[in-house]
Amino acid sequence: EVQLLESGGDLVQPGGPLRLSCAVSGLSLGPYSMSWVRQAPGKGLEWVSVVAGGSGDTYYADSVKGRFVISSDISKNTLYLQMNSLRVEDTAVYYCARLIQNWGQGTLVTVSS
Amino acid sequence: DIQMTQSPSSLSASVGDSVTITCRASQGIRNSLAWFQQRPGRAPKPLISTVSILQSGVPARFSGSGSGTEFTLTISSLQPEDSATYYCQHYVGYPFTFGQGTRLEIK
Repeated sequence: EVQLLESGGDLVQPGGPLRLSCAVSGLSLGPYSMSWVRQAPGKGLEWVSVVAGGSGDTYYADSVKGRFVISSDISKNTLYLQMNSLRVEDTAVYYCARLIQNWGQGTLVTVSS
Repeated sequence: DIQMTQSPSSLSASVGDSVTITCRASQGIRNSLAWFQQRPGRAPKPLISTVSILQSGVPARFSGSGSGTEFTLTISSLQPEDSATYYCQHYVGYPFTFGQGTRLEIK
């Protein structure tokens, strides 16, 4: 059974950094594209970023480009999202996902002073 | 970027009814269309990929259809546990985008 477990969500001040982790079990990360998706309180789903399986190419939503960095550590089978220059509007539950197959339960990031 | 527009934004139906949710893409997305179900307080659950392929464990009363820019999710013989918000998403190229969601209430 594939399981994705996010961690690292926290309360952080505007302008600060935060790194999210997603530990994956039941499949090896390398061949698969893995995404981060977020959901602001009471709002819909917003795709944030992806690391493409195989090539390792990365892509970002315009709302986070230049501030967030997605990466993966194959040896640890873990996906990361480094978030810098955080804004109040980045407040959301962040999910890691192999989009059409498996999602984690999410981790809450709150950006507030 | 490709925009995804769902309709209606919300609907209410009774147990045993059938409902249809529409998702329109701002340009052709071939068959790169998925549907997700999200119950309150829960993570999204993949229902359908490639327009009409049910994910493992999804009941057969869920079905998807469409092509090009217009797609539908139909839920027949509604059950109480179908009360949720439903999202479409394209994955034809980056950035992937979701529809704004359709909230389904079971009366």
